[in-house]
Amino acid sequence: DGGITQSPKYLFRKEGQNVTLSCEQNLNHDAMYWYRQDPGQGLRLIYYSQIVNDFQKGDIAEGYSVSREKKESFPLTVTSAQKNPTAFYLCASSMVGSLGGYTFGSGTRLTVV
Amino acid sequence: GQQVMQIPQYQHVQEGEDFTTYCNSSTTLSNIQWYKQRPGGHPVFLIQLVKSGEVKKQKRLTFQFGEAKKNSSLHITATQTTDVGTYFCAGPSSGNTGKLIFGQGTTLQVKP
Repeated sequence: DGGITQSPKYLFRKEGQNVTLSCEQNLNHDAMYWYRQDPGQGLRLIYYSQIVNDFQKGDIAEGYSVSREKKESFPLTVTSAQKNPTAFYLCASSMVGSLGGYTFGSGTRLTVV
Repeated sequence: GQQVMQIPQYQHVQEGEDFTTYCNSSTTLSNIQWYKQRPGGHPVFLIQLVKSGEVKKQKRLTFQFGEAKKNSSLHITATQTTDVGTYFCAGPSSGNTGKLIFGQGTTLQVKP
């Protein structure tokens, strides 16, 4: 089955550590996105990529980094510069132009301990 | 900047009552999309509306796209406990970036 896979499902990070969240899709989608969701809140865009080896900052990119070396993969690194990283992180993919909608992964819940 | 706003933020209904959430954009949209996120889950694409004045139905759900393509609504007839969740509308960002601008969502609670 085609889909988008995020791992791990739960992640605990010590303050000062960098952590990388995985996102892999086999939908042959060109575009991929990372969103952050805080409890009871909407979706805030962190980074997005429309093509391999290219990506753009979203609304809340500070403290995060991404890479897009392969079409299928769009990992997100939460760096120690992100002061409040505890949140639910969602990866999504779509055809270029978002027609047909986004397919979301099941998310990663990151907690700073 | 471009904004998509949804009201209400929360809605509690008795099972069997109807429910409507409204979505308004600060700009004209080429299309509007709706997503549902169950508690503890991830958003799932429900539908996309493209034409001015378009109305689409999915069982008890009715989606409308306004004539001016700046507003939309989702109406659920005779709610069931399975309808619980947060409903998001989203429209394309201007500039052909492929990004979607999401509304803040309407969280629906259904009392059995």
